[in-house]
Amino acid sequence: RKEVEQDPGPFNVPEGATVAFNCTYSNSASQSFFWYRQDCRKEPKLLMSVYSSGNEDGRFTAQLNRASQYISLLIRDSKLSDSATYLCVVNRYDDMRFGAGTRLTVKP
Amino acid sequence: GAGVSQSPRYKVAKRGQDVALRCDPISGHVSLFWYQQALGQGPEFLTYFQNEAQLDKSGLPSDRFFAERPEGSVSTLKIQRTQQEDSAVYLCASSWGDEQFFGPGTRLTVL
Repeated sequence: RKEVEQDPGPFNVPEGATVAFNCTYSNSASQSFFWYRQDCRKEPKLLMSVYSSGNEDGRFTAQLNRASQYISLLIRDSKLSDSATYLCVVNRYDDMRFGAGTRLTVKP
Repeated sequence: GAGVSQSPRYKVAKRGQDVALRCDPISGHVSLFWYQQALGQGPEFLTYFQNEAQLDKSGLPSDRFFAERPEGSVSTLKIQRTQQEDSAVYLCASSWGDEQFFGPGTRLTVL
């Protein structure tokens, strides 16, 4: 079993839709949590950190449930430019573990 | 430069050849990471440096893989006697604090 598991996707949604991605992790000692975005044939880039209290950045909301070892990302009002692969990342003492990613395609 | 750079961007090797992949991290970043990313998968951790010290090499898949960062800046990932299963994108990242900044990667194809 992989240390970080994500929805396999792909998700194909129309513009304006709300879409949610889920992620679970197995190491309860994980300290920090992130969502990275990776465009096709590009490097991953940090989208947002994830905090226990939940955090929002514009149309993006991330949630962390430490008890359930579960992380989520909600994207509201999807744009064509949101099409990418979203990587769930957990970190423990600089040991970053990535999920396999969830592919999102937003269609007109 | 402003970001992490890697060279070469693309490398085609014949099976059995040795290859060397270079990473120039962001100036001043203490931590440097190497990842291997296969098609359709997330990056898989290979090894981690703090300055010149290699603190974790548990992700290196075999003793054919070797990484160094002798002066705590530029790093080289060397793969000896390449095999077809080594074909992947090799990503380098450097960090200051929690956020990792990735280079564009080297796409290695072993024929």
